[in-house]
Amino acid sequence: AQSVTQLGSHVSVSEGALVLLRCNYSSSVPPYLFWYVQYPNQGLQLLLKYTSAATLVKGINGFEAEFKKSETSFHLTKPSAHMSDAAEYFCAVSKNSGGSNYKLTFGKGTLLTVNP
Amino acid sequence: GAVVSQHPSWVICKSGTSVKIECRSLDFQATTMFWYRQFPKQSLMLMATSNEGSKATYEQGVEKDKFLINHASLTLSTLTVTSAHPEDSSFYICSAPDRVGEKLFFGSGTQLSVL
Repeated sequence: AQSVTQLGSHVSVSEGALVLLRCNYSSSVPPYLFWYVQYPNQGLQLLLKYTSAATLVKGINGFEAEFKKSETSFHLTKPSAHMSDAAEYFCAVSKNSGGSNYKLTFGKGTLLTVNP
Repeated sequence: GAVVSQHPSWVICKSGTSVKIECRSLDFQATTMFWYRQFPKQSLMLMATSNEGSKATYEQGVEKDKFLINHASLTLSTLTVTSAHPEDSSFYICSAPDRVGEKLFFGSGTQLSVL
């Protein structure tokens, strides 16, 4: 069985500050890990994914995440927050990287607010 | 990029009625679509996998007779919540992988409120 825990349902940062959204996973097989972002009234969009090629994954909009097997973590970071980063962020784990068997197990989400 | 359109975005219905939610892949064909449900402050939970031309695969604990899934074409999957009750009130989201299975695209979701 797989599971995802996102620490902190709500994170608030100032514009220009570091963004750190935490994600820990549990998986009985080598995991594939994802971060999705959801802006208001829009569908989830893929920010980045880890598929075992490199432990530090760079995504869109300046976000990156590092896979740490020893800590079973896949935290999302961005050096400098922008107002447009305000959204809900979901961490997810899968046994597969894609294909028709693309089943994801999601965390509860973290709402990021950015203060001017 | 590929887009998945979900309709309606919100619906209010009376207890005992049925509600249909549509999920369309707009510029690609999707032989598989996924239906998720999200209760407030909870994770998105996979309900079922919709397969074009065959029966849907339901996750454990999801009633197939209550949540009817039809995937009649390569661009459309529908989820019908039959005899809806207040406990079915939730946020329903569909998703579809692109043709090569590299990316997963999500609809914007449907907020269902059953009175």
